[in-house]
Amino acid sequence: GAGVSQSPSNKVTEKGKDVELRCDPISGHTALYWYRQSLGQGLEFLIYFQGNSAPDKSGLPSDRFSAERTGGSVSTLTIQRTQQEDSAVYLCASSLFTTGGQKNTEAFFGQGTRLTVV
Amino acid sequence: GENVEQHPSTLSVQEGDSAVIKCTYSDSASNYFPWYKQELGKRPQLIIDIRSNVGEKKDQRIAVTLNKTAKHFSLHITETQPEDSAVYFCAARGGSNFGNEKLTFGTGTRLTIIP
Repeated sequence: GAGVSQSPSNKVTEKGKDVELRCDPISGHTALYWYRQSLGQGLEFLIYFQGNSAPDKSGLPSDRFSAERTGGSVSTLTIQRTQQEDSAVYLCASSLFTTGGQKNTEAFFGQGTRLTVV
Repeated sequence: GENVEQHPSTLSVQEGDSAVIKCTYSDSASNYFPWYKQELGKRPQLIIDIRSNVGEKKDQRIAVTLNKTAKHFSLHITETQPEDSAVYFCAARGGSNFGNEKLTFGTGTRLTIIP
């Protein structure tokens, strides 16, 4: 597609349920990032992928959070046993990043998934 | 890991005046510094970026300066207009070695332009 696509746009779930958030990066982009943004707050880093590998997952808040990326493309962020404090907008971004840096691009953001845990 | 600090957290300026937002970073290996603008309810969008091999970059009313020695960079907006009102985020990204692609953001500056 033309841009980064996230689904669903909005998700309301009951406390304790599991949710899966999907990110379709721009075709050919090697790096994929997940951030969380609470209302009126900044961009909290969760995890990033280079290809299918996740060199840095230090931002995942707890072991209830996990993410995977398959085929160097689509990524899924899974939150198990959701809690009310998980309510936020989850943003995905992708960029082309190559060793040497000659073709590196900016990071493009998706529109986000607004997660509400009730 | 990289730590990016951003100041001020809020900034109000009169329309037509200039606005300056400053960021510092901790990792001297970082070599790419983008600035994003986020309007209410929208996704962050890049407005300007700079790489470590230059000290300044300008695009119309927007400019960014980089001081690698001091590890700080700044966003300058001149002749501000109401549509400049938004939250601005700075970020830093590491070198080209594998594992340094992480993009770390500052905490954001809410800029309000007063008509």
